[in-house]
Amino acid sequence: GQQVQQSPASLVLQEGENAELQCNFSTSLNSMQWFYQRPEGSLVSLFYNPSGTKQSGRLTSTTVIKERRSSLHISSSQITDSGTYLCAMEGNYAQGLTFGLGTRVSVFP
Amino acid sequence: DAGVTQTPRHEVAEKGQTIILKCEPVSGHNDLFWYRQTKIQGLELLSYFRSKSLMEDGGAFKDRFKAEMLNSSFSTLKIQPTEPKDSAVYLCASSGTGGGGEQYFGPGTRLTVL
Repeated sequence: GQQVQQSPASLVLQEGENAELQCNFSTSLNSMQWFYQRPEGSLVSLFYNPSGTKQSGRLTSTTVIKERRSSLHISSSQITDSGTYLCAMEGNYAQGLTFGLGTRVSVFP
Repeated sequence: DAGVTQTPRHEVAEKGQTIILKCEPVSGHNDLFWYRQTKIQGLELLSYFRSKSLMEDGGAFKDRFKAEMLNSSFSTLKIQPTEPKDSAVYLCASSGTGGGGEQYFGPGTRLTVL
């Protein structure tokens, strides 16, 4: 079945540092999304990015379909960026999202 | 526009009880998904509806889990009978396109089975 590998599992940053989160997929993908999970559990969609590069503020997502990978870049990290980031893919048969286990980001002053 | 809504936000059940979780998708969305999140397994797909038709019934979850879409704006997930291992956060999501569109998630229901 489809597998999604996320790395690193956790990341500790000093405020102002940049970070790159990675996602690798075992099968070809139809679409993928990056989410931020709030402490109480709700999911915020950051990017719907089936291919190419998208930017929103200090966040940039890049998906390379041929290489079956996607990355999320955080620039000039802030304390409020702390939390869990999840990537998810939908395969070619569009049967729902398969999620990675997440990257827990902690930003300290 | 209202996003995806889920009720209740928290549910506590005794082992063996029947519980029903509810979800209202974004108005006009055709696809509806139920997911479960645990610390060990992460997020897993339970069920998937497209235009009210069940497309995916969750494989390993079929036994005691039943999702229904009574109309285009309301879905339920029934767990019967509940077991302590069902303790998890249950998330509902919807998307607007027929396959492979951005999914929007509700706030989730945290279920605790004693």
